[in-house]
Amino acid sequence: SQTIHQWPATLVQPVGSPLSLECTVEGTSNPNLYWYRQAAGRGLQLLFYSVGIGQISSEVPQNLSASRPQDRQFILSSKKLLLSDSGFYLCACRRVPKREQFFGPGTRLTVL
Amino acid sequence: AQSVTQLDSQVPVFEEAPVELRCNYSSSVSVYLFWYVQYPNQGLQLLLKYLSGSTLVESINGFEAEFNKSQTSFHLRKPSVHISDTAEYFCAADDAGNMLTFGGGTRLMVKP
Repeated sequence: SQTIHQWPATLVQPVGSPLSLECTVEGTSNPNLYWYRQAAGRGLQLLFYSVGIGQISSEVPQNLSASRPQDRQFILSSKKLLLSDSGFYLCACRRVPKREQFFGPGTRLTVL
Repeated sequence: AQSVTQLDSQVPVFEEAPVELRCNYSSSVSVYLFWYVQYPNQGLQLLLKYLSGSTLVESINGFEAEFNKSQTSFHLRKPSVHISDTAEYFCAADDAGNMLTFGGGTRLMVKP
């Protein structure tokens, strides 16, 4: 079975600073990868997904971007953080053709 | 596009009482349905899934859900809850695309 790692676990950043969150997957190859965000007290918002290296689909226009430089690595970035970027960021993986997604432990981002 | 509605944002219940968490999805030709559980500051864990076959699906910790096509529902039930079941529960649907559509979540609060 797959294991999903997210780094860092928690992060406190000032407004206007850059961001890089990393997600790596073990135990599978050619997965679909996903970035979600949970704002405080709210549900999950899909930010990006990727079906392969270099292939990124954006679901919500914002100041975030994603990249997939390797098959099992998914990176979420920002050049300048906003207060509204605070939240719990979750990476997920789907082993095609299976339908279910599996989630990593998450990164708690606080923008001050 | 698929939509998922969880009618109750919070469900308080006493320990050892039965509970039902409601989930309705928008009709689709084919749909796969999931329940996830999220404990505080953790990622989502897959609780159970409906892909095809028997409309009643069960998890290893006593939860069950029934797929009802005519009512477009996938309600989650447990006959007797424990304190440890206190968590956020998310219903999700997959219409055979690359993405899951999540409901807004239901916070289950089990009281002693």
